Amino acid sequence: DAGVIQSPRHEVTEMGQEVTLRCKPISGHDYLFWYRQTMMRGLELLIYFNNNVPIDDSGMPEDRFSAKMPNASFSTLKIQPSEPRDSAVYFCASSFSGDYGYTFGSGTRLTVV
Amino acid sequence: KNEVEQSPQNLTAQEGEFITINCSYSVGISALHWLQQHPGGGIVSLFMLSSGKKKHGRLIATINIQEKHSSLHITASHPRDSAVYICAVGQGAQKLVFGQGTRLTINP
Repeated sequence: DAGVIQSPRHEVTEMGQEVTLRCKPISGHDYLFWYRQTMMRGLELLIYFNNNVPIDDSGMPEDRFSAKMPNASFSTLKIQPSEPRDSAVYFCASSFSGDYGYTFGSGTRLTVV
Repeated sequence: KNEVEQSPQNLTAQEGEFITINCSYSVGISALHWLQQHPGGGIVSLFMLSSGKKKHGRLIATINIQEKHSSLHITASHPRDSAVYICAVGQGAQKLVFGQGTRLTINP
């Protein structure tokens, strides 16, 4: 398996633009997580899904953020409109309830100017 | 108080030294993870522990469930071990709660 695949690796956008981050989890994993990492706050959970259903979105900063998982092999995190304070590295991770194995993607470094 | 506390926050050592990073947590868990992140890099899972001890190469991880404490040891440290090491705890396969990380620098 190629691991958790995120795209794009880097994204630079102007304030006010829509940004879409993409994630393909490991096949067979039944949990998918979106985390955000900043220097100030470290790693924090935004939202997670179990079997494609959102379970906990309490970490989503505000209505500008939305996430979907239309099927077991794909998820998106959308920011609309983007703001400079959204600049961070966004990690997608997936895990399997059978063995608790956890795998992170390589992250998307988002810069909003 | 954070649910997961790591110490030290920063650690600098000479190549070859034995390294210990500690993690204490205050919540009930089913698994504890040690993660590694190189500067500007992704996050790699080193270990997942629910009890006892695991070893992989020069890395050893231990956990004491009763004391809610885990340690990550690196033997014969090398400059390529320089990274941030993150302790994270979770319930089953569900969301992780992260420590603040330990920045390790190994000088040649």
